[in-house]
Amino acid sequence: GAGVSQSPSNKVTEKGKDVELRCDPISGHTALYWYRQSLGQGLEFLIYFQGNSAPDKSGLPSDRFSAERTGGSVSTLTIQRTQQEDSAVYLCASSRDRSGNTIYFGEGSWLTVV
Amino acid sequence: KQEVTQIPAALSVPEGENLVLNCSFTDSAIYNLQWFRQDPGKGLTSLLLIQSSQREQTSGRLNASLDKSSGRSTLYIAASQPGDSATYLCAVAWGNQFYFGTGTSLTVIP
Repeated sequence: GAGVSQSPSNKVTEKGKDVELRCDPISGHTALYWYRQSLGQGLEFLIYFQGNSAPDKSGLPSDRFSAERTGGSVSTLTIQRTQQEDSAVYLCASSRDRSGNTIYFGEGSWLTVV
Repeated sequence: KQEVTQIPAALSVPEGENLVLNCSFTDSAIYNLQWFRQDPGKGLTSLLLIQSSQREQTSGRLNASLDKSSGRSTLYIAASQPGDSATYLCAVAWGNQFYFGTGTSLTVIP
């Protein structure tokens, strides 16, 4: 596709359930990022993938959060046993490589935990 | 640790005014700096990218400058229009991540 695609665009889930959020980056982009933006807050880094290198997971807030990137393309962010504080918009972005290039964002997945 | 600050947090101007948004960062060893626009309920749209070796970039009514040594960038918007109303974020590429400011919420009054 022409841009970064995320699904679902909106998700309402019950506390304690698991959710999966999907990101399809721009074709050919080796770098992929997940960020979280809570209401009225800035962007919080979660995880970064670069090619076949080990991901930088330093931003994941707890062990309930995990992410994988299959075949160097599509990525899935999984949140287990969701809590109300997990409610936020989860933004995925990609760029051609790590440095020196424009980063492109998807429209986000809006997660509400009730 | 890299910290990015944007001032002001909110700005309201009448249509037609020129305006400047400010961004500062604490560690100057950045790869690049980007300005983004975010409309309510939407993702981020890239406006301008300035490489660490560059001083400024221009796109239409937008001009972004970078003074890496002092850790500052400005986004200049000329002849503002109501359609420019949005939140503007700056981000620096540092280490493995992009570090974002909390944004300036701009309202252009018709």
